[in-house]
Amino acid sequence: DGGITQSPKYLFRKEGQNVTLSCEQNLNHDAMYWYRQDPGQGLRLIYYSQIVNDFQKGDIAEGYSVSREKKESFPLTVTSAQKNPTAFYLCASSMWPVDTQYFGPGTRLTVL
Amino acid sequence: ELKVEQNPLFLSMQEGKNYTIYCNYSTTSDRLYWYRQDPGKSLESLFVLLSNGAVKQEGRLMASLDTKARLSTLHITAAVHDLSATYFCAVVQEGVGNEKLTFGTGTRLTIIP
Repeated sequence: DGGITQSPKYLFRKEGQNVTLSCEQNLNHDAMYWYRQDPGQGLRLIYYSQIVNDFQKGDIAEGYSVSREKKESFPLTVTSAQKNPTAFYLCASSMWPVDTQYFGPGTRLTVL
Repeated sequence: ELKVEQNPLFLSMQEGKNYTIYCNYSTTSDRLYWYRQDPGKSLESLFVLLSNGAVKQEGRLMASLDTKARLSTLHITAAVHDLSATYFCAVVQEGVGNEKLTFGTGTRLTIIP
């Protein structure tokens, strides 16, 4: 089955810790994206990548970092510099130029 | 900066009624997407509208695009409970090598039996 997987589904972080969220796709898509969704809000773009070894900041990149070493994988690290990381994180992928984005199931991050 | 606005933000309607959700955007674009999100779940793609006057229909949902007015509508016909969800529109922000989607704030639709 082709699709996008994210892990873990739930993640708890202590203050001051860095955590990494996994995103993998087997759709052979060129582009991958990370979004953040706060309760009752829309999606805000954190980072996106059009090709391997290249990525661009989105609207709210501060406190986050990414890498794109493989076409299939686009992990997101939430660093201790992110002041309010509790949110629902969604990964997506698409062909490039921008085409329909397909979303993974999401990771719900809670800071304790 | 591209801004995407949806209205209403919340919509409660009875089964069997018709209603329309509106999506306005602030800069030129010729591609618009509609997504559905169930509570606590991810987003599911519904429609992509690629040109002025485009109309797409799937079941009780019909989406249209007017690029001159910078407006898309999502029309619900004879609503049923299963359509309860949050609906998002998203618009391509075009630029040199910098295309990306900007999402609206969403419309939370509740269908009352």
